[in-house]
Amino acid sequence: QQQVKQSPQSLIVQKGGIPIINCAYENTAFDYFPWYQQFPGKGPALLIAIRPDVSEKKEGRFTISFNKSAKQFSLHIMDSQPGDSATYFCAGDYSGGYQKVTFGTGTKLQVIP
Amino acid sequence: NAGVMQNPRHLVRRRGQEARLRCSPMKGHSHVYWYRQLPEEGLKFMVYLQKENIIDESGMPKERFSAEFPKEGPSILRIQQVVRGDSAAYFCASSPGAGELFFGEGSRLTVL
Repeated sequence: QQQVKQSPQSLIVQKGGIPIINCAYENTAFDYFPWYQQFPGKGPALLIAIRPDVSEKKEGRFTISFNKSAKQFSLHIMDSQPGDSATYFCAGDYSGGYQKVTFGTGTKLQVIP
Repeated sequence: NAGVMQNPRHLVRRRGQEARLRCSPMKGHSHVYWYRQLPEEGLKFMVYLQKENIIDESGMPKERFSAEFPKEGPSILRIQQVVRGDSAAYFCASSPGAGELFFGEGSRLTVL
């Protein structure tokens, strides 16, 4: 199965810091790269997503940087807050055919006050 | 518009019993996915279904596990003769087709 590799496994930052989570994919057919946020006891929810025709996408404090040639993408959280503490999953997907999203292994982020 | 509804939220079974997990997709969504999540691990794809059809079950164990999405009613993930290794959170997600997956809050199965 095509993998999406995610790192780090866990991350602790101070409030106001900029945590960065990195992902690398293998399947060049992927054309949609979402990030999901999961709070304890809850299901994942879409946070932000990017397509490979752009190199960066910002939504509020969340930014995805995308490097198509390296097959890598990353999530940056500006001015992180304790409420951002959650597990973040990157994923790869392709719009051709049915949708079978391949998730990374997740990054547990803790933002301390 | 109600979100994806999963029940039960918590289920305890003894080894050898059967577990049935239900998922009602969002209104208008005809695509349902089941994922399994072990503690401190990622989401593992199990099965993808459309109404009355299994599209991809490549992530589902060949034995003891089955899934259905009937014309009427919720999607059901069925685990027969549960073992301790089946203890996990099972998440259902739905979508109208391409794009965002909408997840339920999960069903947490504990096998004693």
